[in-house]
Amino acid sequence: DGGITQSPKYLFRKEGQNVTLSCEQNLNHDAMYWYRQDPGQGLRLIYYSQIVNDFQKGDIAEGYSVSREKKESFPLTVTSAQKNPTAFYLCASRGGQGRGNQPQHFGDGTRLSIL
Amino acid sequence: AQKVTQAQTEISVVEKEDVTLDCVYETRDTTYYLFWYKQPPSGELVFLIRRNSFDEQNEISGRYSWNFQKSTSSFNFTITASQVVDSAVYFCALATTSGTYKYIFGTGTRLKVLA
Repeated sequence: DGGITQSPKYLFRKEGQNVTLSCEQNLNHDAMYWYRQDPGQGLRLIYYSQIVNDFQKGDIAEGYSVSREKKESFPLTVTSAQKNPTAFYLCASRGGQGRGNQPQHFGDGTRLSIL
Repeated sequence: AQKVTQAQTEISVVEKEDVTLDCVYETRDTTYYLFWYKQPPSGELVFLIRRNSFDEQNEISGRYSWNFQKSTSSFNFTITASQVVDSAVYFCALATTSGTYKYIFGTGTRLKVLA
């Protein structure tokens, strides 16, 4: 089945440690996104990529980094510079070659906590 | 400025009641897209509907219906004869051409349907 796979489902980070969240899609979508969700809040955009080897900062990129070496994959690294990383992270992808009328499809999310 | 407001933080209804979730948006773009998503306790966002700015026709899908009114910049969502399985957080989102089709999410409305 086509879809978006995020792993791991739960992740724990020690102080000063970088951790990487995986996002893989087999929908052949060009655009991919990373969002952060805090309790009782909406989704905030961290990074997005509209094409391989290109990505842009979203609203809250500080303390995060991404890469887009393959169309199917868009991993997110939460660096030690992110002082409050505890949140629910959602990855999404969208087809339509840049046209805005296509909906984003979401993975199941990764819940990150600090040890 | 682009913004989505979901003023209802939480709504509780008894099963079989009808319930309307409000969404008010702001944009200066003439071409834009509006979306509703459902986030069940499992965490992933499930796409429900997309509407573009040129199509004000209301839509019904089973027990779900959507009312799009450009005059009031609203895109409200009604669930008829609510069921316990409708319990979730519902998000409204806006995508615009000037925003390179990034989503702007509202803060969500948590719907609790009581048996």
